[in-house]
Amino acid sequence: GAGVSQSPSNKVTEKGKDVELRCDPISGHTALYWYRQSLGQGLEFLIYFQGNSAPDKSGLPSDRFSAERTGGSVSTLTIQRTQQEDSAVYLCASSPLSGRGLGNEQYFGPGTRLTVT
Amino acid sequence: GEDVEQSLFLSVREGDSSVINCTYTDSSSTYLYWYKQEPGAGLQLLTYIFSNMDMKQDQRLTVLLNKKDKHLSLRIADTQTGDSAIYFCAERGGPSGGYNKLIFGAGTRLAVHP
Repeated sequence: GAGVSQSPSNKVTEKGKDVELRCDPISGHTALYWYRQSLGQGLEFLIYFQGNSAPDKSGLPSDRFSAERTGGSVSTLTIQRTQQEDSAVYLCASSPLSGRGLGNEQYFGPGTRLTVT
Repeated sequence: GEDVEQSLFLSVREGDSSVINCTYTDSSSTYLYWYKQEPGAGLQLLTYIFSNMDMKQDQRLTVLLNKKDKHLSLRIADTQTGDSAIYFCAERGGPSGGYNKLIFGAGTRLAVHP
């Protein structure tokens, strides 16, 4: 079946503009995650959604970052008033379950490369 | 706090075995993962190990876990040029950080040469 898809694959924006990044998780996966990968760095957790529960926003770096997940499926990550340090690859992942049990492996999309000029 | 560390670079000859090492700090981690990232691509889940295991084998891949030393390794037998990629070790956050996020190392770049 189809994997996690993200759009756009590349986004170049001017400093100060807002951007929206989209993620389509694997059908039937209840959990959705956003990570950020800066150049030469590992992945940094941003936010997590699980069903109708309140999202875990503990990784969002500032209040310029927000995310929503509509209908328990598609998610949008919004960055307002972009700064050059926001340049990174933004990766989305989904998993069938959440918590400590089996079935919570995370499957990643190809990412959106964001460049802020 | 939670932290995962890896060496940044490994070079091996085609046909040799590769061993990529990782250390982590959260002793309550329940699962540990290895992901592969090829240039311009997302992360591909290679394998994972549950914390009550000390070894897991899957074709050319062998994962060893030393829970006492909080050390994880990935061995790739008969390394091929197609194995050239960045390999990320990750632990699932424990009770203090929530079970919902993965903590990643910075990645080990594996270069396979003829």
